[in-house]
Amino acid sequence: QKEVEQNSGPLSVPEGAIASLNCTYSDRGSQSFFWYRQYSGKSPELIMSIYSNGDKEDGRFTAQLNKASQYVSLLIRDSQPSDSATYLCAVKAYGNKLVFGAGTILRVKS
Amino acid sequence: KAGVTQTPRYLIKTRGQQVTLSCSPISGHRSVSWYQQTPGQGLQFLFEYFSETQRNKGNFPGRFSGRQFSNSRSEMNVSTLELGDSALYLCASRADISETQYFGPGTRLLVL
Repeated sequence: QKEVEQNSGPLSVPEGAIASLNCTYSDRGSQSFFWYRQYSGKSPELIMSIYSNGDKEDGRFTAQLNKASQYVSLLIRDSQPSDSATYLCAVKAYGNKLVFGAGTILRVKS
Repeated sequence: KAGVTQTPRYLIKTRGQQVTLSCSPISGHRSVSWYQQTPGQGLQFLFEYFSETQRNKGNFPGRFSGRQFSNSRSEMNVSTLELGDSALYLCASRADISETQYFGPGTRLLVL
């Protein structure tokens, strides 16, 4: 079992819709979770971090964390073509090592 | 505040050679981590340096090494390059009081 799992996609949504990206992790002791966005040929860019159960909102983005289910999600409201990218879920392991999922490719169609 | 910078941005080497990559963290950040990204394996942790000390190391062979200088700039070295070392090498820096890592633009290494 991989430590961090994401559906590779691609996830296709129409412009203006809500995109829902999901991630599960195996280490029940994990406390810190991050979503990064990576455009093709570029480096990962931080979108959000989340540490507590529940929802955390930042503009059009909402991260959701459920530690009991070992599940993290990212919702993107009013999706735009510029949101088309690979979304990486990362979980902080011991020390400050980040363990990444394989990423979900999101395509927003205009 | 300037972001993380990495040099060079692109590099072509041949098998058996060695390579040194450089990373300058965000001003004030003392933690620097290195990651390798490949299409097959995704993003994988190489090592972390803090105040010139390696704090954590990933599951990579000894050909991969690094160091950090007193100004927090870091270098990583790969010796005896193999074709499989072709990858995007990413450096990330972190502030002392934060768990958030910010990535540089990366160095794309091609081994022929």
